[in-house]
Amino acid sequence: GDSVTQMEGPVTLSEEAFLTINCTYTATGYPSLFWYVQYPGEGLQLLLKATKADDKGSNKGFEATFRKETTSFHLEKGSVQVSDSAVYFCALTGNQFYFGTGTSLTVIP
Amino acid sequence: NAGVTQTPKFQVLKTGQSMTLQCAQDMNHEYMSWYRQDPGMGLRLIHYSVGAGITDQGEVPNGYNVSRSTTEDFPLRLLSAAPSQTSVYFCASRSSGRGDTQYFGPGTRLTVL
Repeated sequence: GDSVTQMEGPVTLSEEAFLTINCTYTATGYPSLFWYVQYPGEGLQLLLKATKADDKGSNKGFEATFRKETTSFHLEKGSVQVSDSAVYFCALTGNQFYFGTGTSLTVIP
Repeated sequence: NAGVTQTPKFQVLKTGQSMTLQCAQDMNHEYMSWYRQDPGMGLRLIHYSVGAGITDQGEVPNGYNVSRSTTEDFPLRLLSAAPSQTSVYFCASRSSGRGDTQYFGPGTRLTVL
């Protein structure tokens, strides 16, 4: 069945460091892929998405490319800020939405 | 647009009590879902609906009931609360398109003593 596996955390980085959070997926059919972000005490909100292979989603300096050959959708940001501290979820849609377990990111000044 | 709204924001119950978590959306979305979020477990799907009058079970449906009498509302009922149901509950909605974004409410933090 469809599933998502993402890098376990927690991840701690210094401000301006490079961020990668790995996400791989298993899917039948033609999935769409998403990254959601959850700030403390809030619900999940969409960060970016890609709806077909080779698409790149981007938002707020974050990027992820839908790579069918490696079944991956890794999240990257070139220079993180303290305000990026949050939990990040990778997800895909098949018949339903399938979420990874989340990766907690803390950015220290 | 208010998006997806949930009430209450916090709730404390005693074991055996019942309650309903409310969820409403104003985006005319066909699909609505309830998730619970527990530490280290990510999001787990409880129940979902693909339209008014149509509901189905998700991964962890036991102890919860749902109904969908209107497009806008999707309440979640706990018939007899148990400590294992202590969690944060999120309602979400989306359109039926394959790549459509799922929108989440702010969550209800439930504690069962």
